[in-house]
Amino acid sequence: ETGVTQSPTHLIKTRGQQVTLRCSSQSGHNTVSWYQQALGQGPQFIFQYYREEENGRGNFPPRFSGLQFPNYSSELNVNALELDDSALYLCASSPRERGASYEQYFGPGTRLTVT
Amino acid sequence: DQQVKQNSPSLSVQEGRISILNCDYTNSMFDYFLWYKKYPAEGPTFLISISSIKDKNEDGRFTVFLNKSAKHLSLHIVPSQPGDSAVYFCAARGRSNYQLIWGAGTKLIIKP
Repeated sequence: ETGVTQSPTHLIKTRGQQVTLRCSSQSGHNTVSWYQQALGQGPQFIFQYYREEENGRGNFPPRFSGLQFPNYSSELNVNALELDDSALYLCASSPRERGASYEQYFGPGTRLTVT
Repeated sequence: DQQVKQNSPSLSVQEGRISILNCDYTNSMFDYFLWYKKYPAEGPTFLISISSIKDKNEDGRFTVFLNKSAKHLSLHIVPSQPGDSAVYFCAARGRSNYQLIWGAGTKLIIKP
């Protein structure tokens, strides 16, 4: 069983640019959640996708957007990057049909640095 | 407004002894709590969870206790092993049924 994978591992962007981060969910998981983790803090929920539809969103501006594909992989897009967007971005998948998606399985994350 | 708080940034415990990690929450509507463990350069790994209708859940060396009246939960690890050295996060399920609210984490160091 393949776990959650994310690409790229590290990324350096300039303020104002756009970035796309990718996530492949664990086999059999149809729900993907994205989190932002700043240094020294816990993950902050960005949004969740279930069967290609956004299924909830945290307190993040519209320049954070996402997609989920038919194979349940997902992308996180961030436009007009700001310095404060520098963080570890985590993707987590879960098997929704087993009930509420309590137990989420995380990828290793993408470290984004905005200069 | 931190709804889930882990007030100890770090904890050092002797190998073989008990490790107790604490977590407080403010939202009485939380109904499910989880503990995750994170090693450097890896994503968080699910460890153990507890429903708000229970006060204890045990899985091997790991036990989670929930005190609803105090809005407090704790993770006990016994005996502590060197491989337990990691950052431990407490998370709670929000009202929306899909969002996890996380604490800031506690770094556990197991001394040989």
